[in-house]
Amino acid sequence: DTAVSQTPKYLVTQMGNDKSIKCEQNLGHDTMYWYKQDSKKFLKIMFSYNNKELIINETVPNRFSPKSPDKAHLNLHINSLELGDSAVYFCASSQGILNYEQYFGPGTRLTVT
Amino acid sequence: DAKTTQPPSMDCAEGRAANLPCNHSTISGNEYVYWYRQIHSQGPQYIIHGLKNNETNEMASLIITEDRKSSTLILPHATLRDTAVYYCIGVIKAAGNKLTFGGGTRVLVKP
Repeated sequence: DTAVSQTPKYLVTQMGNDKSIKCEQNLGHDTMYWYKQDSKKFLKIMFSYNNKELIINETVPNRFSPKSPDKAHLNLHINSLELGDSAVYFCASSQGILNYEQYFGPGTRLTVT
Repeated sequence: DAKTTQPPSMDCAEGRAANLPCNHSTISGNEYVYWYRQIHSQGPQYIIHGLKNNETNEMASLIITEDRKSSTLILPHATLRDTAVYYCIGVIKAAGNKLTFGGGTRVLVKP
């Protein structure tokens, strides 16, 4: 069974479009995260949610809006996509906000043309 | 969180122990050292963490110096599947704190 899954795995879209990436974890964790890995391979956290409550909100354009319908899901919606949004987006989860043993999903490669 | 310094790359031979160093000279007394790795085209994978004592699990061993200014991750018998980028991260366990991934060490295990 996949612990942290993301859909889609690949996403190619044009500038200006709106897209969503979905994440689900079946580990029973209460904390979920979104990370962005750019073309230079630097991995940076974007958001984290604990029990559906926003805990970390890094300096991310407000075109990015996370949404956590329940503890097992954390989706990422991106409005008005720009070329610079092209990256690999990783979802992760952990049990507790002080638990830094995080389980990562396989990533979603977003390409904006 | 302490700034960590790792060599950009290193090679090791398959079947031999791989010793990955990390310097964290400004680490705080309550700051943990976490190690993750990222195999090509996959998400990062947690390996091990520690505060003061040496730690061992099924994947690796973590040796932390007594002054806590540096640590070494040991992969006891490296395999080709251990080829990855390894990240050493310092973090204080507090609400709102986060893992900050640096450049890591690119480890190439050679046959």
